[in-house]
Formats: sequence, C-alpha cells, structure tokens
Amino acid sequence: GQSLEQPSEVTAVEGAIVQINCTYQTSGFYGLSWYQQHDGGAPTFLSYNGLDGLEETGRFSSFLSRSDSYGYLLLQELQMKDSASYFCAVPSYGGATNKLIFGTGTLLAVQP
Amino acid sequence: DAGVTQSPTHLIKTRGQHVTLRCSPISGHKSVSWYQQVLGQGPQFIFQYYEKEERGRGNFPDRFSARQFPNYSSELNVNALLLGDSALYLCASSLLADTDTQYFGPGTRLTVL
Repeated sequence: GQSLEQPSEVTAVEGAIVQINCTYQTSGFYGLSWYQQHDGGAPTFLSYNGLDGLEETGRFSSFLSRSDSYGYLLLQELQMKDSASYFCAVPSYGGATNKLIFGTGTLLAVQP
Repeated sequence: DAGVTQSPTHLIKTRGQHVTLRCSPISGHKSVSWYQQVLGQGPQFIFQYYEKEERGRGNFPDRFSARQFPNYSSELNVNALLLGDSALYLCASSLLADTDTQYFGPGTRLTVL
C-alpha cells in the first residue's frame, strides 16, 4: 500500500521557524508536493520536489531525500496567517492518471 | 484569471437522496479530478477526467459517478446517500492528464442527515 505519515499537530510562536516532516511508503515515486489548507477551505499548492535537495519559495522551503523516503516543509518568520493544516502528497501516475495521495495532515498553530 | 470554482458551497441532504456537485476548471485546463475529504483527514481521490474520458477511479462504490462536458466542466453525482458521505468534496484541475500540478477549488460541504 501507499502511505504518508506526518505529525498531527505542531505549535510555534510568531517569528519562529517550524519544520513539518513527512515520511512516505509508495510505489513508483515521482516527487513530493506540499499543500496548505485553511480551516476546510481549498488546499493551496505550496511546493514540489522532484529531485533530492532543498527548494526555496519565499518564507517556505521544502526538502526531499529519496534514499530516506523523507521530506519536510520549513516555514520561516512565522505569521499568524500561517496557522493552517499542511499536507504532503505524492502524485501517482499510472494509465495517464494524475492522482494525488495525501498524507495525514499536520495542524500548525501559530501563537502570538 | 478565475481559479477553480465549485457549486454549491454547502448542501444538506437526507439519507437515500441523490446529489450533484459541479466544478469549473481553470481556463485552459483540460483535466478535472474529484476528491473527498472527511473531517480530520487528507483528501481521497475519487475520479479523474481528461478530455471527457475517465482516466482514473479511486476506491469508491458505484454510487459515485462523474462526467466531464465539452467545456471541461464536470459533475460529480452520488446516489443513495449515506451518513458516511458527509464530507468536503474538492475539485482540482490541471492542464495535462498527468505529471502536472493540480489546483483545487474551495469545495462543496455536503452534510447527510
């Protein structure tokens, strides 16, 4: 089967740095995506790692290690608006299908 | 440009009823996928359509069906509703059928009583 595991909750203070980890077990791995979701709204695409290493997009960075089946999302200079659920996801390509398999999700609470 | 749009935003139905949810993809996107998100969990893949053809189906019963129209909009139909069908139903669009980032709509919150 395919599974992605994340911590259920993380708490941090404004201005701090937080790391959200994701470990995965999948077949046919193509890369790791990260999505942000505010309170049951639309998941918003944050980043994609197709290769090992660090990808930086403003305050957010994402890292992938294929050999360790592990990735993380790093959020810097935390703001209150970063309080949301964060999901890692892997695309599963097969038969010309593009479906995402999502992790269990991490609820980030940013405190003043 | 408008993002993915879905209607209605909220819906309340009773067990045994039928529901139709609608999705309009980002302009130019030809692929539409549907996901079910139960409270506290990640979205689960239901269907993908590309160029009006079903390209993939998740582990959902035959009560769930979908179709895509010539303008690439899509409908998700659920028959004989069960309490367990209560969830946020998300639509995602992408330009290509595969190897492409998916962009999600705001979802339809379905409550089955």
